[in-house]
Amino acid sequence: IVMTQSPATLSVSPGERATLTCRASESVRTNLAWYQQKPGQAPRLLMYHATTRATGVPARFSGSGSGTDFSLTISGLQSEDSAVYYCQQYNNWPPWTFGQGTKVEI
Amino acid sequence: DVQLVESGGGLVKPGGSLRLSCAASGFTFNNVWMSWVRQAPGKGLEWVGRITSKTDGEITNYAPPVNDRFTISRDDSKNTLYLQMHGLKIEDTGVYYCSRDYNYFDLWGRGTLVTVSS
Repeated sequence: IVMTQSPATLSVSPGERATLTCRASESVRTNLAWYQQKPGQAPRLLMYHATTRATGVPARFSGSGSGTDFSLTISGLQSEDSAVYYCQQYNNWPPWTFGQGTKVEI
Repeated sequence: DVQLVESGGGLVKPGGSLRLSCAASGFTFNNVWMSWVRQAPGKGLEWVGRITSKTDGEITNYAPPVNDRFTISRDDSKNTLYLQMHGLKIEDTGVYYCSRDYNYFDLWGRGTLVTVSS
């Protein structure tokens, strides 16, 4: 399954809302996760099952979607949210596949 | 602390071999499935392979680019995951992360850099 993320880069101002999208080449139901990766760091799980926040993830992060179209919304953007965000499907395997990433610039 | 710590990366010539280790702590290692995920320089994430728990048969699966060259194993007595890599290619260069695998990856190590170059 090919995962396609858009846009490649998103520039937003502090306090604004950012919406990142992820499209699967075929249905993955709700078997989708989102990760945040800051420069020089390992990825961090943000969301799984498309809409469930991982432990410790702020409520300003929310996920939606099912089937082939998904989105990650970050409300009230903060400077610490600058990162690359990846989606990953875990419905059809092997292999698990990631999107190419969306870079969020604050 | 709950953590994963990778080691064993380095510079290796094309065709060479390398073994990576991942030391787990702070959780019951023998109950969990584990994966390796890699990231080429400046690129995105690529799942490499997985091993199930001993209870689930220690079954391994690999991504096509590494199948027949890489082998994942685990030593539950040492809370350690391994990635044995043979026949390394230049395109295997990158940071290798171990991760706790619930189909999604909820815990990651900091990674170890593997550079394949002549």
